Amino acid sequence: NAGVTQTPKFQVLKTGQSMTLQCAQDMNHNSMYWYRQDPGMGLRLIYYSASEGTTDKGEVPNGYNVSRLNKREFSLRLESAAPSQTSVYFCASSAAQGTQETQYFGPGTRLLVL
Amino acid sequence: AQKVTQAQTEISVVEKEDVTLDCVYETRDTTYYLFWYKQPPSGELVFLIRRNSFDEQNEISGRYSWNFQKSTSSFNFTITASQVVDSAVYFCALSEALAGGTSYGKLTFGQGTILTVHP
Repeated sequence: NAGVTQTPKFQVLKTGQSMTLQCAQDMNHNSMYWYRQDPGMGLRLIYYSASEGTTDKGEVPNGYNVSRLNKREFSLRLESAAPSQTSVYFCASSAAQGTQETQYFGPGTRLLVL
Repeated sequence: AQKVTQAQTEISVVEKEDVTLDCVYETRDTTYYLFWYKQPPSGELVFLIRRNSFDEQNEISGRYSWNFQKSTSSFNFTITASQVVDSAVYFCALSEALAGGTSYGKLTFGQGTILTVHP
């Protein structure tokens, strides 16, 4: 049981390049989330997927797109990377079954946009 | 809008000291959940505790204890007899209902408190 996994662990991009961050969970969770962490700002929600087949914007969705590929996988795409997107990206999942809500996080992806 | 404030940016203590990390939150929801996460230097986020808004009992887990006071909208975290391994960034977070209101999952995080425990 690996929990939440993310690939890649580290990536360097040039401005304007695109890439997809991958996330998978093996806990049979319904809900999945993407956050970014910037110094002094805590984690901010980019997009979330309450259940398979649905996605919604979070606090900072501009410049990103997501795909809930199936129940296990939730990817985050940067179509045209900008230096402002340099950050650490965390994927999380939760059971989303009524009152039993705890989010479990992946190890993070460090992204540097030059 | 939901908001979580961790006013202490950095705390430095000497091993074996007790330390309290403050967390104040704002929400209009009557039902919500509060969380603490630990982020050690390795970078992962480790879940520590979840507390729902209807349960104001304090909780103790080993050297860790949490004080939830609805009247002051606070959810403070105390580490007793701190150890060097407690050095980390600690985040307080507040959940809100997902669309439909039947389950909760969108977390609003505080800015985090950097705790350094010196030997």
